[in-house]
Amino acid sequence: AQSVTQLGSHVSVSEGALVLLRCNYSSSVPPYLFWYVQYPNQGLQLLLKYTSAATLVKGINGFEAEFKKSETSFHLTKPSAHMSDAAEYFCAVSDESRGKLIFGQGTELSVKP
Amino acid sequence: KAGVTQTPRYLIKTRGQQVTLSCSPISGHRSVSWYQQTPGQGLQFLFEYFSETQRNKGNFPGRFSGRQFSNSRSEMNVSTLELGDSALYLCASSVTTVGDTEAFFGQGTRLTVV
Repeated sequence: AQSVTQLGSHVSVSEGALVLLRCNYSSSVPPYLFWYVQYPNQGLQLLLKYTSAATLVKGINGFEAEFKKSETSFHLTKPSAHMSDAAEYFCAVSDESRGKLIFGQGTELSVKP
Repeated sequence: KAGVTQTPRYLIKTRGQQVTLSCSPISGHRSVSWYQQTPGQGLQFLFEYFSETQRNKGNFPGRFSGRQFSNSRSEMNVSTLELGDSALYLCASSVTTVGDTEAFFGQGTRLTVV
């Protein structure tokens, strides 16, 4: 069965610092992986997705993620945090056979001035 | 291009009542999925509809049901509400069944059961 684990339910960084949000997946088939962001009282917005075209994926708002098959990881990074990046971030894997996304538990990112 | 629209945004219901939530997908999208989001359980898949047919269902009791209309709009119904049904219900639409296809989410309906 496919699953996603996000390490750290809460991450705090200073403005301008590197953002690193960790995601590990389990999948018996080549996975489709996604990172979504959720602002308070809002739905989910896609940041980026991995669909096997390239291992380094660039997304919106300066975020990127690297697919590492050997480590079964898909960590999300941003070189320099901005106050507006404060939100909850979800890593997800697509379970195509069941037509659904399987989400990690989420990581809340706080950005300190 | 209009996004996914969910109505209403907020609902307060009493235990034992039933509720219907609505989702209008992006024009041209035929797949609509529903998710329940709670602090304890996170995001959990409820069901997926494609061309008016339920194709997939998550592990929720039969009190949770849905349907999709010919214009792809979808409704979700919860009968005999319980306190534990309090959650943010999110609808997502995509062109086809999610695989590598992006799912676009609505802003959700916040249901509070008292």
